Amino acid sequence: DVKVTQSSRYLVKRTGEKVFLECVQDMDHENMFWYRQDPGLGLRLIYFSYDVKMKEKGDIPEGYSVSREKKERFSLILESASTNQTSMYLCASSLYPASGAGPDTQYFGPGTRLTVL
Amino acid sequence: LAKTTQPISMDSYEGQEVNITCSHNNIATNDYITWYQQFPSQGPRFIIQGYKTKVTNEVASLFIPADRKSSTLSLPRVSLSDTAVYYCLVGDIGDKLIFGTGTRLQVFP
Repeated sequence: DVKVTQSSRYLVKRTGEKVFLECVQDMDHENMFWYRQDPGLGLRLIYFSYDVKMKEKGDIPEGYSVSREKKERFSLILESASTNQTSMYLCASSLYPASGAGPDTQYFGPGTRLTVL
Repeated sequence: LAKTTQPISMDSYEGQEVNITCSHNNIATNDYITWYQQFPSQGPRFIIQGYKTKVTNEVASLFIPADRKSSTLSLPRVSLSDTAVYYCLVGDIGDKLIFGTGTRLQVFP
């Protein structure tokens, strides 16, 4: 089974702090993603990466950056946390090319609930 | 990417069959229909994907009519553990997944 792990389930930080959210997958997947999930808004894509050292902006990249130094690890960085970044953050990975037809199946981690005070 | 529309919420009782319909009027020729399930405090997980007609696996069935403008996820004999949010997504290979707000299914004893 694919396993995607995230460094923390719950995190509390103060406004202005630099925050690192770590994600590790154990299935040698090329693609990795960061989403945030807020009530009434569903999941929104922040950044994704198709390969080591590659990154692409998603729909809401402002205020975030990412790092992918190793294939299995994808980090989300909040350079200066703000209260509007309080959210559930979900990491996912997928295989490329997809094993079958249609969009690649994404495997999600358990999420990190971040609170910024 | 085609936009999807699904009910915000549904209620059911244990043992009943639940059908969740998703509308995707602008689906493209190469698009597939995929459903994910999300339990509270967990990330979404893939449950089923199809292109046309009917697909069945150990978790659910997916019915897709000939015009492909809608699809129905069918959960046979639901239990309390099926309480979750169900997302309908439409896209082609390599497309980004766009999750809407999904359908919140509540199963009662």
